[in-house]
Amino acid sequence: DADVTQTPRNRITKTGKRIMLECSQTKGHDRMYWYRQDPGLGLRLIYYSFDVKDINKGEISDGYSVSRQAQAKFSLSLESAIPNQTALYFCATSWTGGAADTQYFGPGTRLTVL
Amino acid sequence: GENVEQHPSTLSVQEGDSAVIKCTYSDSASNYFPWYKQELGKGPQLIIDIRSNVGEKKDQRIAVTLNKTAKHFSLHITETQPEDSAVYFCAARINAGNMLTFGGGTRLMVKP
Repeated sequence: DADVTQTPRNRITKTGKRIMLECSQTKGHDRMYWYRQDPGLGLRLIYYSFDVKDINKGEISDGYSVSRQAQAKFSLSLESAIPNQTALYFCATSWTGGAADTQYFGPGTRLTVL
Repeated sequence: GENVEQHPSTLSVQEGDSAVIKCTYSDSASNYFPWYKQELGKGPQLIIDIRSNVGEKKDQRIAVTLNKTAKHFSLHITETQPEDSAVYFCAARINAGNMLTFGGGTRLMVKP
């Protein structure tokens, strides 16, 4: 499995603050994703990137931005955090050459916006 | 776009019993259906998947069935064990370039 790490694992912040969540992977996968998980809503895609120069909006990109600093690093930013962005955030990776584009998830970041 | 509905949202079974989780999808062009298991404090992990050219796939105690006509697919876990307790997510995808659309998740509790 891809070694996908996320930092921080937990974060509490206040409304209006800028927050960055970081994701790194060591398996050389070219595709990376950011998801948000809310109870009962499953996983919803925020942004995705198929390579360093490719950034695409997902289902719920408003209020978020991303940066693909390198093939192995994909960061998610909340420019001005608001309470309804309180959620569990997951980074995932996949490999274009994979048979079924299986996605490998990181351990998640629990974000609380007060 | 694709919409995936998953039922039930919670499921409690006795150890040794079977568990079934069902998902329906809206886009008939979807052709890949993975199932993910999320243990407490961890990210989701793929446990089994099925493509639209087959109707059933098994891997030890887990199996997935697909009914393309009715646009639904199901996860079957037999001889459940306490370590099967987790949240399970179904998903659907139209093709390799499109993204996965996830169901809302099912919390499975296996009572010893």
